[in-house]
Amino acid sequence: EAQVTQNPRYLITVTGKKLTVTCSQNMNHEYMSWYRQDPGLGLRQIYYSMNVEVTDKGDVPEGYKVSRKEKRNFPLILESPSPNQTSLYFCASSPIYRTGENTEAFFGQGTRLTVV
Amino acid sequence: SQKIEQNSEALNIQEGKTATLTCNYTNYSPAYLQWYRQDPGRGPVFLLLIRENEKEKRKERLKVTFDTTLKQSLFHITASQPADSATYLCALEALSGGYNKLIFGAGTRLAVHP
Repeated sequence: EAQVTQNPRYLITVTGKKLTVTCSQNMNHEYMSWYRQDPGLGLRQIYYSMNVEVTDKGDVPEGYKVSRKEKRNFPLILESPSPNQTSLYFCASSPIYRTGENTEAFFGQGTRLTVV
Repeated sequence: SQKIEQNSEALNIQEGKTATLTCNYTNYSPAYLQWYRQDPGRGPVFLLLIRENEKEKRKERLKVTFDTTLKQSLFHITASQPADSATYLCALEALSGGYNKLIFGAGTRLAVHP
């Protein structure tokens, strides 16, 4: 089954304690991205990756890091989480993302993060 | 400034009626627009994509229109069912930072009552 898998689904942590949210896709997609979703603000892109070892900042990258060592995996790292990073996070992938070639995004099931 | 706007208030309709959701945008010139469905606590699921040269797209009970003059897309669900209750997101392709990416609206929650 084609899917994007995120772990964990729920996470409560304390301020400053490093954490990683994993994301894996089994569709051999080039493009992967991370979003956060907050009430009334919609999905906002944190980081994206066009391919292995190619990553770049999205709209709200502060406080986050990513890596893309393998095509299937795109972990999101919070080096020193703060309460304002409490949110619902989604990983997404799509086959390709170049000008004039727009395809649907496949989303993971989400990670609800609470930082206290 | 660039904006994508969807009705923030929930849309409540009776089963069997047609639901119409609106997506307006300003200061974008998207070549494509997409609609997604999102259930509570779950990731968005792709429904339909419409291109700028397509006025209308249909898929089963779903219909999407795209008016680049009005800068608006309408999403219709005919013969609505309680199972259609969810939040619906529109997303448009926009050039930003040298590459095309999806920009999402905040979504409109639809509640279909028996």
